[in-house]
Amino acid sequence: DVKVTQSSRYLVKRTGEKVFLECVQDMDHENMFWYRQDPGLGLRLIYFSYDVKMKEKGDIPEGYSVSREKKERFSLILESASTNQTSMYLCASSRGSRLTYTDTQYFGPGTRLTVL
Amino acid sequence: QKEVEQDPGPLSVPEGAIVSLNCTYSNSAFQYFMWYRQYSRKGPELLMYTYSSGNKEDGRFTAQVDKSSKYISLFIRDSQPSDSATYLCAMENQAGTALIFGKGTTLSVSS
Repeated sequence: DVKVTQSSRYLVKRTGEKVFLECVQDMDHENMFWYRQDPGLGLRLIYFSYDVKMKEKGDIPEGYSVSREKKERFSLILESASTNQTSMYLCASSRGSRLTYTDTQYFGPGTRLTVL
Repeated sequence: QKEVEQDPGPLSVPEGAIVSLNCTYSNSAFQYFMWYRQYSRKGPELLMYTYSSGNKEDGRFTAQVDKSSKYISLFIRDSQPSDSATYLCAMENQAGTALIFGKGTTLSVSS
């Protein structure tokens, strides 16, 4: 059974802290994605990766960075958390290839991050 | 004009009703269309996937694409309380590099 796990369901951090959100998939998928989901704004793509050590900016990369050292793991980093980064963060993975990134995306349960 | 528009609702219907959920899009080059379902406090999961125009049926669910109108629909027949969720439409962008999601429509089916 397909599985995408995220390190925390709920996280509370203070402004200025460095925050790591971890995502692991066990499906040997090539592609991994980080989204944030906000009421009234829907799902917005932050970064994605189609291979180990590769990354591409999505629609809203400002204030975020990512790391993909192993195929199964994709980390989202908030270098200095701010209150406007309070959101639900969703990780996803897909089988894909370099030519298309839109095979079925399987989502993790999400991490609800609150920055105080 | 946003690339994908979806009425956020909420939509409340009684059990057994036929539900119609819709999205419009602006780019006529889009060809791959998806519907995801998201239960409360869970990640989205793929419900239906269609390519180009036409209908696709899966049990009580029918996905419909009208490329001439740039309009996609998801119909739910004999709706059940377990269908209560947020439904997101999604489509592949023109470059084939990412999915563009609608904002989601929240559906509540009462018994």
